[in-house]
Amino acid sequence: ETGVTQSPTHLIKTRGQQVTLRCSSQSGHNTVSWYQQALGQGPQFIFQYYREEENGRGNFPPRFSGLQFPNYSSELNVNALELDDSALYLCASSSYNSPLHFGNGTRLTVT
Amino acid sequence: GIQVEQSPPDLILQEGANSTLRCNFSDSVNNLQWFHQNPWGQLINLFYIPSGTKQNGRLSATTVATERYSLLYISSSQTTDSGVYFCAVPDVNQAGTALIFGKGTTLSVSS
Repeated sequence: ETGVTQSPTHLIKTRGQQVTLRCSSQSGHNTVSWYQQALGQGPQFIFQYYREEENGRGNFPPRFSGLQFPNYSSELNVNALELDDSALYLCASSSYNSPLHFGNGTRLTVT
Repeated sequence: GIQVEQSPPDLILQEGANSTLRCNFSDSVNNLQWFHQNPWGQLINLFYIPSGTKQNGRLSATTVATERYSLLYISSSQTTDSGVYFCAVPDVNQAGTALIFGKGTTLSVSS
């Protein structure tokens, strides 16, 4: 059974740039969600994708967007990066009524 | 929305000691998860425990849903238990798998 994998592991971007983070879901899981974890805080829900559509969104602006592909993998895109976007971005996959399984995360630094 | 509070915020133990971590939540929930985040950022699902008690090796968890709290017990702690422990409950204002996390308990176990 393949777990949740995320890429890249680390990334450094400049304020105003755009970034794309990638996630492959665990085998058999059809739902992907993304979380942002600032230093010293718990993860915060960004959004969730099911059947290639966003079906839940936390308190994040529209410059945070995503995609889910037919193989259930997913991308998180962030436009017009701000310094406060520096965080660990976690992807999690699940199927109906199952616990979330998280990837190792992508650590984004915005300078 | 629902509030999740964890205590204590920090815990320092000698190897071999036992500990209890607490998670209080402000409203009824239909499930609760405990996670361990290791120093490399990986979030590992420990327990999916809407009610009752579960045990997994040296770890056990109890959720008393009617009183809105959950406890995580770590017995005979080891240095590898170090990291941050989070509890999380479903966000009922969101579809599917959105979780609300507490701020975590940081555990440091020394040899």
